[in-house]
Amino acid sequence: AQTVTQSQPEMSVQEAETVTLSCTYDTSESDYYLFWYKQPPSRQMILVIRQEAYKQQNATENRFSVNFQKAAKSFSLKISDSQLGDAAMYFCAYRRYQGAQKLVFGQGTRLTINP
Amino acid sequence: DAGVTQSPTHLIKTRGQQVTLRCSPKSGHDTVSWYQQALGQGPQFIFQYYEEEERQRGNFPDRFSGHQFPNYSSELNVNALLLGDSALYLCASSLLAGGRDTGELFFGEGSRLTVL
Repeated sequence: AQTVTQSQPEMSVQEAETVTLSCTYDTSESDYYLFWYKQPPSRQMILVIRQEAYKQQNATENRFSVNFQKAAKSFSLKISDSQLGDAAMYFCAYRRYQGAQKLVFGQGTRLTINP
Repeated sequence: DAGVTQSPTHLIKTRGQQVTLRCSPKSGHDTVSWYQQALGQGPQFIFQYYEEEERQRGNFPDRFSGHQFPNYSSELNVNALLLGDSALYLCASSLLAGGRDTGELFFGEGSRLTVL
């Protein structure tokens, strides 16, 4: 069974600084998706960034980028120029590439932005 | 473009009762998945519905059941409620038909269930 581990329950960063959230996963599959979702107090899960395992290039979305290390099964999220609106729970998630769309989530990291 | 909508947003039940939660998928989506998120935890997959059938199920007892309607909307039913069923229930939709799976799920804001 696939598992996702987020070893940082809480992180904090000064506004405008850079922060990195860690995620490791375990799978025997070779093709899969990895995601970072953001969950603000409004509770709605919002997709931050997606990575397809067959792509060697790390995904980027504006201030958000990932460091995908397939051999190490590591998938960290870097947030540059942190803004107050980035404060939320961040979840790393895994999904098989084909077939069932079940997401396996990590335990989450609570990110606090200090003004 | 309407996103995923869920109802009710909050509800309180007592042990042993039954509850029904509802979800309308994002416009154009045909697949609905349900997740349970206990306080301070990541969401756990309950099941997925496509073409009005349960396609995959997580490690949840038979007290958890669901349904998908011809308009793709879905219900989650929980019978014989336990205190441990208190959680945020999230619905997510996606598009599966025609090989158009992009890997992305769109989530609703959830239904917060409290069991007393």
